[in-house]
Amino acid sequence: DAMVIQNPRYQVTQFGKPVTLSCSQTLNHNVMYWYQQKSSQAPKLLFHYYDKDFNNEADTPDNFQSRRPNTSFCFLDIRSPGLGDAAMYLCATSPRGGTGYTFGSGTRLTVV
Amino acid sequence: GQQLNQSPQSMFIQEGEDVSMNCTSSSIFNTWLWYKQDPGEGPVLLIALYKAGELTSNGRLTAQFGITRKDSFLNISASIPSDVGIYFCAGLNYGGSQGNLIFGKGTKLSVKP
Repeated sequence: DAMVIQNPRYQVTQFGKPVTLSCSQTLNHNVMYWYQQKSSQAPKLLFHYYDKDFNNEADTPDNFQSRRPNTSFCFLDIRSPGLGDAAMYLCATSPRGGTGYTFGSGTRLTVV
Repeated sequence: GQQLNQSPQSMFIQEGEDVSMNCTSSSIFNTWLWYKQDPGEGPVLLIALYKAGELTSNGRLTAQFGITRKDSFLNISASIPSDVGIYFCAGLNYGGSQGNLIFGKGTKLSVKP
């Protein structure tokens, strides 16, 4: 089945140690999104790629970066994780225009 | 910015009861989506609504897109234990290169067997 796959499902990192989360898709969607979801809150958009064009939300901290080397893969890099960055990170994809949104299962990040 | 008000925040119901939750917005959306999220998982799409006034069913779930495009409700009939989870409404204005989902704060549903 076509899907959005996130690895790993659970990630533990040390305070200040760079960490990378990955997302892959078999849907061939143009757009890939990264959301941050903290406990008991709604998902919050960090940024998205439309093909190779990167779009950052205005309030996304500089600590968060993203890479999309090809259509299928997108990475979320956290340069210096703080305790406040502990959250579920959700990857989503959609075709051009936004309909057909599909989420991955998420990566639960713990910062120790 | 755009915000969605989702209510109720939480519900405790008996198995077999019907459930209703709703979302309102101060601005218009092209599309309303309803998601269910289980603990430790990503949101799973339940129903998508594309036209004002549209009423759509998916098994025991029914959702409607308000005429004004500023509200939507989700009903679950004859609830069962596996309905437990957090339900999110989301508004989407698609077009151009992307669509940014605006989420409500969620309704946490608990079902007593």
